[in-house]
Amino acid sequence: LAKTTQPISMDSYEGQEVNITCSHNNIATNDYITWYQQFPSQGPRFIIQGYKTKVTNEVASLFIPADRKSSTLSLPRVSLSDTAVYYCLVGDPLASKIIFGSGTRLSIRP
Amino acid sequence: SQTIHQWPATLVQPVGSPLSLECTVEGTSNPNLYWYRQAAGRGLQLLFYSVGIGQISSEVPQNLSASRPQDRQFILSSKKLLLSDSGFYLCAWSPPTGQRNQPQHFGDGTRLSIL
Repeated sequence: LAKTTQPISMDSYEGQEVNITCSHNNIATNDYITWYQQFPSQGPRFIIQGYKTKVTNEVASLFIPADRKSSTLSLPRVSLSDTAVYYCLVGDPLASKIIFGSGTRLSIRP
Repeated sequence: SQTIHQWPATLVQPVGSPLSLECTVEGTSNPNLYWYRQAAGRGLQLLFYSVGIGQISSEVPQNLSASRPQDRQFILSSKKLLLSDSGFYLCAWSPPTGQRNQPQHFGDGTRLSIL
């Protein structure tokens, strides 16, 4: 399983765009990149998933360079409610398990 | 639509007592099921996962065990709790192995405090 490295914490302000980068140097050919959001005392919630290039949905964008050794989660115009821990995961869905790292604690200020 | 139920939401148990946490999934068949534990301020630690009835894989050796008596039921147990078993326990499911590009979906968790 590919190990991921992401910043322990980040701070930003309401209305700003936030980019959280995750490093995964030993990503395997079959691995997908998945991001989750977790609020205190709740289970993680799926945000976005991608394999290569760019993926966008209603809440975020995921940028993956050609070598796939890193990925960037982009949150447009954050609000206070985006304060949470964000996890980057790398793994093969067919492998039946994906390991969570320590995540990035994002704090949004007014 | 699929739903996952996990109970109880909170639990306070004395050291040395037994434990049984239950998780059920509705709206899907033959899901992959997972038990995670999260210590305060830490990431998620995978404890067990199951790809089918009676099939359990253990990720971390400890005094906990898991069972899957039915397709959509996953139980986390202990015969004798330790203080170190305190934490936030999360159950999750994902579509059956073979369906690529499908994320895990989590329950609301059980906060277990050992006294």
